[in-house]
Amino acid sequence: QLQLQESGPGLVKPSETLSLTCTVSGASIGSMAYYWGWLRQPPGKGLEWIGSFYYSGRSYKNPSLDSRVSMPVDTSTNQFSLKLSSVTATDTAVYFCARLSGRRGSSYRDTFHFWGQGIMVIVSS
Amino acid sequence: DIQMTQSPSSLSASVGDRVTITCQASQDISKFLSWYQQKPGKAPKLLIYDASELDTGVPPRFSGRGFGTDFTFTISSLQPEDIATYFCQQYENLPYSFGQGTRLEIK
Repeated sequence: QLQLQESGPGLVKPSETLSLTCTVSGASIGSMAYYWGWLRQPPGKGLEWIGSFYYSGRSYKNPSLDSRVSMPVDTSTNQFSLKLSSVTATDTAVYFCARLSGRRGSSYRDTFHFWGQGIMVIVSS
Repeated sequence: DIQMTQSPSSLSASVGDRVTITCQASQDISKFLSWYQQKPGKAPKLLIYDASELDTGVPPRFSGRGFGTDFTFTISSLQPEDIATYFCQQYENLPYSFGQGTRLEIK
């Protein structure tokens, strides 16, 4: 059974880099044809997509965050990460890692089918 | 970017009521719309994809319809366990975008 679990610091100082890791169990991120990704939800607000990557390496990012986001992948540990640089208070949110359903193969036109529980990150000095 | 306008933002209904939520896209998204249910402190759960397809294991009291720019989500007979916030999401074009959510409460 597929499980995703976010981990990382719950408090980050302004201007620093937010670093989170998603540990995947029940599937191999490097050998199965799915998109994986990150989303976030500020307190009391709606969801925002941050970025997604395909198992083969293709990736997409939200243009509003593109210059500050990287999504490194470690297939040896079956983990992928989110690094968001130069954070401000507006980056305070619950961060989710997720996987698309894979119904349409390599197409990004797909839904987020499996989610981690989410991790709250507060940006504050 | 495609903007998703969801209404109402909150809704109070009685057990057994029929409940409908609407979502409007700022441009044609064909059938590429999904609906999620989110309970407090939990991750969203996919209910409907491709505008009207029920995900595996989702009770048939949930349904969706629409195409192009106008979509609806319906609960045919509201149950106490349906209390949650519901979001629509378009995936026709990147960046993916979500509606602001509808908070559903029991009257």
